[in-house]
Amino acid sequence: QQQVKQSPQSLIVQKGGISIINCAYENTAFDYFPWYQQFPGKGPALLIAIRPDVSEKKEGRFTISFNKSAKQFSLHIMDSQPGDSATYFCAASSVSNYQLIWGAGTKLIIKP
Amino acid sequence: GAGVSQSPSNKVTEKGKDVELRCDPISGHTALYWYRQSLGQGLEFLIYFQGNSAPDKSGLPSDRFSAERTGGSVSTLTIQRTQQEDSAVYLCASSLSSGTPSYEQYFGPGTRLTVT
Repeated sequence: QQQVKQSPQSLIVQKGGISIINCAYENTAFDYFPWYQQFPGKGPALLIAIRPDVSEKKEGRFTISFNKSAKQFSLHIMDSQPGDSATYFCAASSVSNYQLIWGAGTKLIIKP
Repeated sequence: GAGVSQSPSNKVTEKGKDVELRCDPISGHTALYWYRQSLGQGLEFLIYFQGNSAPDKSGLPSDRFSAERTGGSVSTLTIQRTQQEDSAVYLCASSLSSGTPSYEQYFGPGTRLTVT
């Protein structure tokens, strides 16, 4: 019940296209859902995060869509650029638990 | 300000040797986390510190692994009698606190450990 399932494992998108990465969870106590971006040789960095009181959050070209009833959330990258090529991790946490539960990661490649 | 720093950036050691990995968190961050990331894999939680205390050591893979934190700041992860399966990138992260609303974890660049 603590798992966060992330898909796909890898994704290739043409420059200018929309990249979509999905995550699903079971624990209804989760109330914080961040996405982290990791470039090779670097640690992950927070990209965008959402709480379950909203269904969507947008920051520039990055949007999180959240479906509470389905217990799913997704990251959309609009107008994908080669510089977006990285590994993306979703995660989840609850106010009663300090620990982030991480998805397995998606390696995104944007083709020029 | 300075981010999370880790040293060394790379460590190659022989099987059976002990290694120490260091993490300097962001100043003022009370929570500190250690993770392990194998090649192309996700993050495996190892241990969490709140201040100098480690309330959760459940992720440590074996009793060869230990960690400490002193002065509420620097942390060291020690691996004794290293094995080849210990080869991975060890990531450290810190956050302002472990409770809401400051969940954001700031990561260091990691230490790449190779056991030959």
